[in-house]
Amino acid sequence: DADVTQTPRNRITKTGKRIMLECSQTKGHDRMYWYRQDPGLGLRLIYYSFDVKDINKGEISDGYSVSRQAQAKFSLSLESAIPNQTALYFCATSNAGGNQPQHFGDGTRLSIL
Amino acid sequence: EDQVTQSPEALRLQEGESSSLNCSYTVSGLRGLFWYRQDPGKGPEFLFTLYSAGEEKEKERLKATLTKKESFLHITAPKPEDSATYLCAVQASSDRTGRRALTFGSGTRLQVQP
Repeated sequence: DADVTQTPRNRITKTGKRIMLECSQTKGHDRMYWYRQDPGLGLRLIYYSFDVKDINKGEISDGYSVSRQAQAKFSLSLESAIPNQTALYFCATSNAGGNQPQHFGDGTRLSIL
Repeated sequence: EDQVTQSPEALRLQEGESSSLNCSYTVSGLRGLFWYRQDPGKGPEFLFTLYSAGEEKEKERLKATLTKKESFLHITAPKPEDSATYLCAVQASSDRTGRRALTFGSGTRLQVQP
């Protein structure tokens, strides 16, 4: 079983719709992250959470919101989707402490028409 | 602002043909440099962490090295199963938030032909 599970794996929706992407982990890590990946731009950080009560904006948080429902669950919402939010979305987790590598789920491919 | 540049964007090798991938970085104090492998339809898979100039790490046919300005991922006698996108990321010793997020490069797509 995957340690970091993202649902759905694929989603096609229309402009203006509200969308939620979910991430759950069995690694027991405190820290969770949401990234988006676009061709030629690499992975960019949207939001991150160092524990259940700690939520922080990343590099590109506009148009997104998150909820940390439990240590193991971190969801990303697009309140009103727009076409330039079409991308691959990845959830990642890491242990606390410096220099800990991040471990990624297999991503959600989101297309907004 | 932290920056990571990877080159080349794409590399095609014959099986057994050794080569190197480059990751150049600008960061306000390096806390760690990370290499990841990403297969199509999958998330990045962690390979190595390097902490200071002169450090080297090895795993099978891969060896990562680090200087004060760049890192190299050397691939010795590659096999077709080494085909993937290789990502480099840096973590600064401090950033504006003090939270030390990762900055990723855009990756090198490696194709190894039999």
